[in-house]
Amino acid sequence: AQSVAQPEDQVNVAEGNPLTVKCTYSVSGNPYLFWYVQYPNRGLQFLLKYITGDNLVKGSYGFEAEFNKSQTSFHLKKPSALVSDSALYFCAVILIKAAGNKLTFGGGTRVLVKP
Amino acid sequence: GAVVSQHPSRVICKSGTSVKIECRSLDFQATTMFWYRQFPKQSLMLMATSNEGSKATYEQGVEKDKFLINHASLTLSTLTVTSAHPEDSSFYICSARIRDRDSYEQYFGPGTRLTVT
Repeated sequence: AQSVAQPEDQVNVAEGNPLTVKCTYSVSGNPYLFWYVQYPNRGLQFLLKYITGDNLVKGSYGFEAEFNKSQTSFHLKKPSALVSDSALYFCAVILIKAAGNKLTFGGGTRVLVKP
Repeated sequence: GAVVSQHPSRVICKSGTSVKIECRSLDFQATTMFWYRQFPKQSLMLMATSNEGSKATYEQGVEKDKFLINHASLTLSTLTVTSAHPEDSSFYICSARIRDRDSYEQYFGPGTRLTVT
């Protein structure tokens, strides 16, 4: 079975400081990993994905994530957080050709960026 | 591109009535659509997967007779909550995969807030 864990329910950071949102995964094969962001009462917006290739993936709104196979992690990062980055962030994984290629989501991490 | 819409965005209905939620892919054809349910401050729970022209596949624990899913065309899927009860109040989100593209790409709708009184 595949699973994703986001160990922090909430992350607080001051505007301008680096932001990190943690994600670890557990799959028996090669994972496809995703980050999505959700603003209040809205659907999910795609930020970035890792399929193959460079372990450092750059995405939307200045976010990036690093795939670390040995630590089975895919942490989301932003060098300088903005107040507008305050939202709910979800990590997700697909194990291709298993279980219908369905996304499995982590529990979500709420990010609060204070001015 | 790759925009998914949902209608309505909010709906309030009385207990015992049925409500239909539409999910449309506006600028692409979607072979597969997914329906999720999200409770406050919680993650998304996959309810069912629907493929155009075939019956939906429901996740374990989801009542297929209560949550009717119809994927009538490559751009439209509907979720009907039948005989709704207050415990069905939730945020329902659909997503779609693009036809003829890599099967892992999913695009999400803005969600529908259902309140059953």
